[in-house]
Amino acid sequence: AQTVTQSQPEMSVQEAETVTLSCTYDTSESDYYLFWYKQPPSRQMILVIRQEAYKQQNATENRFSVNFQKAAKSFSLKISDSQLGDAAMYFCACLLYNFNKFYFGSGTKLNVKP
Amino acid sequence: KAGVTQTPRYLIKTRGQQVTLSCSPISGHRSVSWYQQTPGQGLQFLFEYFSETQRNKGNFPGRFSGRQFSNSRSEMNVSTLELGDSALYLCASRQSTDTQYFGPGTRLTVL
Repeated sequence: AQTVTQSQPEMSVQEAETVTLSCTYDTSESDYYLFWYKQPPSRQMILVIRQEAYKQQNATENRFSVNFQKAAKSFSLKISDSQLGDAAMYFCACLLYNFNKFYFGSGTKLNVKP
Repeated sequence: KAGVTQTPRYLIKTRGQQVTLSCSPISGHRSVSWYQQTPGQGLQFLFEYFSETQRNKGNFPGRFSGRQFSNSRSEMNVSTLELGDSALYLCASRQSTDTQYFGPGTRLTVL
């Protein structure tokens, strides 16, 4: 079975500090994509960052970067210089290319303290 | 391009009624997926439509159904509503194999 696991239901970070959200996935497929989505309170879910499994280089988007460890099936999200607007639920997701199926983790609620 | 739109944004129904939710994908996106989001169960996949055909289906009872039109707009129907159907229903669209983009959701409350 394909699964995506986020072991941290909730985390807190001080404004301007760095925080890392964990995500592990389990698949026997070789073609897949990994995503982090952000869902602010009562607001729309938006894409934070995307990683193709065949690419070794870790994806980065401004203050957001990932640590993709393919052998360990780990895909963590690092947020640098945390801002109040980063407070949200963060979901890790895996798209299996050959099955066109998305699998989502249970989410991590990130609190940012001023 | 305009984003994914969902109507209505809020809905209140009573048990036993039925409801239809609508989703308009991003222009050019042929895939539309539906998810149910609740605090206790997280994000649960309902089904995906691609070119008017259901391509994938989650583990929901037959009371949940959907369809997609030739313009890629999609509707989701829930019949015989139960209290447990209260949730945020999210629609997401994408091109054939790529990133999903989510709509704002429809908040359904069943009384």
